[in-house]
Amino acid sequence: EPEVTQTPSHQVTQMGQEVILRCVPISNHLYFYWYRQILGQKVEFLVSFYNNEISEKSEIFDDQFSVERPDGSNFTLKIRSTKLEDSAMYFCASSIPWEQYFGPGTRLTVT
Amino acid sequence: SQQGEEDPQALSIQEGENATMNCSYKTSINNLQWYRQNSGRGLVHLILIRSNEREKHSGRLRVTLDTSKKSSSLLITASRAADTASYFCATAQKTGRRALTFGSGTRLQVQP
Repeated sequence: EPEVTQTPSHQVTQMGQEVILRCVPISNHLYFYWYRQILGQKVEFLVSFYNNEISEKSEIFDDQFSVERPDGSNFTLKIRSTKLEDSAMYFCASSIPWEQYFGPGTRLTVT
Repeated sequence: SQQGEEDPQALSIQEGENATMNCSYKTSINNLQWYRQNSGRGLVHLILIRSNEREKHSGRLRVTLDTSKKSSSLLITASRAADTASYFCATAQKTGRRALTFGSGTRLQVQP
């Protein structure tokens, strides 16, 4: 069964560093998403991407964040200058069109 | 309560019993989706119910939706120890936005 994959599973970075989280969505899906879950808190929507552009974004998704689909398979989330409060589990998801399937997540730890 | 709030927060049952979890939301929705999350792991999609549907089944899962009460319930029948996880409802608003709003989840413990 096709699934969303994410790399790395765990990323440790120092405050102020740039990180890129990678995702490979399910191949025939058209919509791509990033969510995050801070430890012990709800899953929060960050951004959705369709037809090579951002279709929705939340207040969390500020200028420090960007997304890209550099080729036909990968979907990336970049955080330009990480803060301590960016520490969270980041989930990628994809859908066609409504049922969103999530990857296993990347645990980002900012020290 | 906030959009997508589950009730109860925690539920402990014996294997073989049924587990019912409820979700309430505030705004009009396009659909509501239920997910399972094992501790520290990813979210597994269980079922989607559209706003014009009242009930849906998938294996041992039964989901109901009452749009007049802005609530949904997830019933897991004949529970197994492997069903131990957190369960979340997530709503997509009627405006056509695809962003899902998640609740806080119900932690289900199934005792063998």
